[in-house]
Amino acid sequence: GDSVTQMEGPVTLSEEAFLTINCTYTATGYPSLFWYVQYPGEGLQLLLKATKADDKGSNKGFEATYRKETTSFHLEKGSVQVSDSAVYFCALRRRDDKIIFGKGTRLHILP
Amino acid sequence: DSGVTQTPKHLITATGQRVTLRCSPRSGDLSVYWYQQSLDQGLQFLIQYYNGEERAKGNILERFSAQQFPDLHSELNLSSLELGDSALYFCASSVWGGTGGTNSPLHFGNGTRLTVT
Repeated sequence: GDSVTQMEGPVTLSEEAFLTINCTYTATGYPSLFWYVQYPGEGLQLLLKATKADDKGSNKGFEATYRKETTSFHLEKGSVQVSDSAVYFCALRRRDDKIIFGKGTRLHILP
Repeated sequence: DSGVTQTPKHLITATGQRVTLRCSPRSGDLSVYWYQQSLDQGLQFLIQYYNGEERAKGNILERFSAQQFPDLHSELNLSSLELGDSALYFCASSVWGGTGGTNSPLHFGNGTRLTVT
């Protein structure tokens, strides 16, 4: 069946480090791909999305590119801040409206 | 602000009891989704409604039920509560994913934290 696999956390980095959180998926058809972020005590909120192959989603310095050939949607940021500490979820949405989330990756940024 | 409202924010109750969680979706969204988030942070999909009708079911226990009303708000009913039901319960809303809505994200409320003692 369809699935989303994220790298396990927690991921701990120092401020200004480069961030990569890996996400790979298996899905029939051509799903849209999303990254959501959950800050402490809050619900998930959309960080970025990409709707077709080679699309790049970007927001708040984060980027992810829809790679159909490797079925990946890795999240990257060039220089993280303490305020980026949160849980990050990769997700896909199929045309039949099925939505699948990864298990989430907790990110800790040290000052 | 996502536009999705969940009440109450916190709920503490005893084992064996019954509770109702309420969700008001973002204006214009016809789809409502319920998720359970446990301490290990994973999101468990429970159930989805679209315009008052059940559309998809996940790993929802028989003790749990939900409905979506004509004004599109939704309620999740949890009965015969057990200690293991303690979790964060999120509601999310969206436009319908079919016929071009696949690009639309889910909009999440801030959740109801349920503690069963």
